[in-house]
Amino acid sequence: AQKVTQAQTEISVVEKEDVTLDCVYETRDTTYYLFWYKQPPSGELVFLIRRNSFDEQNEISGRYSWNFQKSTSSFNFTITASQVVDSAVYFCALRRGGGYNKLIFGAGTRLAVHP
Amino acid sequence: DTAVSQTPKYLVTQMGNDKSIKCEQNLGHDTMYWYKQDSKKFLKIMFSYNNKELIINETVPNRFSPKSPDKAHLNLHINSLELGDSAVYFCASSQSTGELFFGEGSRLTVL
Repeated sequence: AQKVTQAQTEISVVEKEDVTLDCVYETRDTTYYLFWYKQPPSGELVFLIRRNSFDEQNEISGRYSWNFQKSTSSFNFTITASQVVDSAVYFCALRRGGGYNKLIFGAGTRLAVHP
Repeated sequence: DTAVSQTPKYLVTQMGNDKSIKCEQNLGHDTMYWYKQDSKKFLKIMFSYNNKELIINETVPNRFSPKSPDKAHLNLHINSLELGDSAVYFCASSQSTGELFFGEGSRLTVL
């Protein structure tokens, strides 16, 4: 069975703090894809990143970075020097390989960044 | 141009009514989806179509009927609306195993 767990329901930080959002996944597939999406208060779902299971390199994009570790089945997301505009619900998601199209989402982590 | 657009953005209706939500994508993707987001923000897939063919049909009441007239459109019709149908419905599209691109969501409120 495929499952994504985001154990942190809500995180509250002060601006400029670094924050890490945890994501743990379960799958028996050797080929799979992991995603992060952002849902700001305006409600749209914004794609942030996609990784395939064969690419364990960490990725950095500006203040955002992702740490993919197959050994612990984790795909954590770190925001460095957080800003108020980072306040949103963040979703981690998993998709099986082999042509399966379903994206399975975690329950989301609500991040509140205070000035 | 909006990549994935869905209409209407807001629907307020009475229990027992029938309503439709339309979705169109101009990305040339071959797969489209409907997701439901409940009040706790949980996102759950309802349906997926690949080139107009239904490929995913999760445990959804048969009051919900998707229709895909072509691969750029996926509509959702809901019969006999119930209070529990109140949610935000998201349309999305993707190409193969790529990321999903979501519409802005349609907030349905059933009174």
